[in-house]
Formats: sequence, structure tokens, C-alpha cells
Amino acid sequence: AQSVSQHNHHVILSEAASLELGCNYSYGGTVNLFWYVQYPGQHLQLLLKYFSGDPLVKGIKGFEAEFIKSKFSFNLRKPSVQWSDTAEYFCAVNAGFGNEKLTFGTGTRLTIIP
Amino acid sequence: DTGVSQNPRHKITKRGQNVTFRCDPISEHNRLYWYRQTLGQGPEFLTYFQNEAQLEKSRLLSDRFSAERPKGSFSTLEIQRTEQGDSAMYLCASRPSAASDAPQWTQYFGPGTRLLVL
Repeated sequence: AQSVSQHNHHVILSEAASLELGCNYSYGGTVNLFWYVQYPGQHLQLLLKYFSGDPLVKGIKGFEAEFIKSKFSFNLRKPSVQWSDTAEYFCAVNAGFGNEKLTFGTGTRLTIIP
Repeated sequence: DTGVSQNPRHKITKRGQNVTFRCDPISEHNRLYWYRQTLGQGPEFLTYFQNEAQLEKSRLLSDRFSAERPKGSFSTLEIQRTEQGDSAMYLCASRPSAASDAPQWTQYFGPGTRLLVL
């Protein structure tokens, strides 16, 4: 069965600091990987996704993530965070061809201090 | 594109009552998903539809839960004889068919229905 681990439950950063949120998954086969964001009072929105090809994927709002197959990781990064990045971030995996289910991590709450 | 909509947004009920939630997916999205999210957790998959056919159900979906999508458009999720453990946010998502030009495999989420069982 597929599972996702997000080790950082709550991260607090100052504006302009660099960000890296960890995500590890367990599944030995082909995976599709996602980062979703939930801003306060809003619904889940897709930040970026990886299906195949270049393991470094770029998403909206300056976020990027790197798929490292050997480490089963898909960490999210941003070089310089803004106060508006305050939100909850969820990593999700969809494993195997024809598998419709998204399995989410427990989420990381990011607080940016102005 | 008005996005996925869900109604009601909030529901408070007493234990033992039945509740029904509605989800309207993005127009022409043939796949529709239900997830449940409890405090401090990520969303957990409950079930999904391709058009009107319910193709997968999680073990989380007990006999008290039933979901339908009768005409392949909107969907309803009913919980019978609610229990306090059913308190959660119920999320709906949809995506287009893989044959379309839209980005594949991206599930678009609605705002959710927050259920509180007293």
C-alpha cells in the first residue's frame, strides 16, 4: 500500500528565508507526485506535480520540487518565502497505472513571520 | 469554470441523525472523488466515480455511508445514523477524463462540507 510521510508538522520562518519541506513516500513502482496548498479559509489547490521526465518541477508562486527516486522523496522548495505563503502544505502520491486514489501526508503548517 | 462546489458548507447534527451532502463537479469532469479530512490529518480517500459508476470504495466507507452519482454529474454522500467519529471535513474533487486536453491526473478540490456530530 502507498503511504506518504511529511516530517515537518509546523514550520515557522521569517520573510525572505529559504524553505524546504520534506516528503517521503513508500511505493516501489511508478508514482505520480503532487504538492497541494491550503491557504487559510480556502480549499486545496495544486502547487505542482510530477509525472515523468525532468525530476525538478516548477509550480506556481515560485515553488519547485525535486523527485529523487532513490530516496523516495519529493521535497518542496522555495528560495525566498513571503508572508502570503502562510498556509498548510500537503504532499500526495498516486501510485501505479490506473490507480485513481490520492494518498496524502498529514500536512505541514507553514507560518511566515513578516 | 466555476470550480467544484459543495453544499452545505457546514452541518451540525445530533448523533443518530442522517445527513446528506452534495457535490457539483467542474462541468464535463467525468471523474468525481470523495475524501474525508479530520483535524491534523491529510485528506483520506473514500470513494470515486467514473461517470455514474462507483468504481472504488475505501474500507473507511462503512455500511452507514453511501454515495451516488445518478446522472454522472452531481454526487451525493449520505451518512446514516451519524456517530461522533463521523465529525470531519468531507471533500469532493473532480478531474477530466485522461483523453481530454486538460492536465491529466490533477484532481480539483471543492471547499468541503464540515460536519459536526453532537
